[in-house]
Amino acid sequence: AQSVTQPDIHITVSEGASLELRCNYSYGATPYLFWYVQSPGQGLQLLLKYFSGDTLVQGIKGFEAEFKRSQSSFNLRKPSVHWSDAAEYFCVLSGGYNKLIFGAGTRLAVHP
Amino acid sequence: DAGVIQSPRHEVTEMGQEVTLRCKPISGHNSLFWYRQTMMRGLELLIYFNNNVPIDDSGMPEDRFSAKMPNASFSTLKIQPSEPRDSAVYFCASSPLAGGGNEQFFGPGTRLTVL
Repeated sequence: AQSVTQPDIHITVSEGASLELRCNYSYGATPYLFWYVQSPGQGLQLLLKYFSGDTLVQGIKGFEAEFKRSQSSFNLRKPSVHWSDAAEYFCVLSGGYNKLIFGAGTRLAVHP
Repeated sequence: DAGVIQSPRHEVTEMGQEVTLRCKPISGHNSLFWYRQTMMRGLELLIYFNNNVPIDDSGMPEDRFSAKMPNASFSTLKIQPSEPRDSAVYFCASSPLAGGGNEQFFGPGTRLTVL
């Protein structure tokens, strides 16, 4: 079965601190993986995506993610968090045609 | 480009009323998706169109829900009759290509409240 697990529902970090959001997936082959961000009251915006090749993927707003096949993980990282990064982050799997399977989301709070 | 346009942004209605949500995808995009977001169930795909044809409607919860895409630039999601449990944020998304791995561009959503 195809699924995405984000084990952390809420995370709070201090501004300037590093960030890592965890994501694990279940899929029978190499998946397409995405991270989307949703700011309050807004739609979803793509941060980055992994299809194949280099397992370290760079995205917008200084985010990066690393695909680890052995761990079925696709964790999102940022070296220094800004207050404007407070939002909800979704790890997403595309296993077939265009169907996206969303994780439950991780809500990030940033303390000044 | 204006992005995916959804209307209305907010809708409050009474149980039993018909609700119609509208979506204009990004020009040139061939695929269109309707999602529902709730606290309990997260983001769920309701239906997916490719070249105006419904491809997968397995996520449509009940017969009270219907979706149409009469042309490449317009889609509707209708709920008739509406019920309080339909209260959610409904997102429309479009994608330039069919096939796995293509980015979907999301609209701002319609927040539906059914009293």
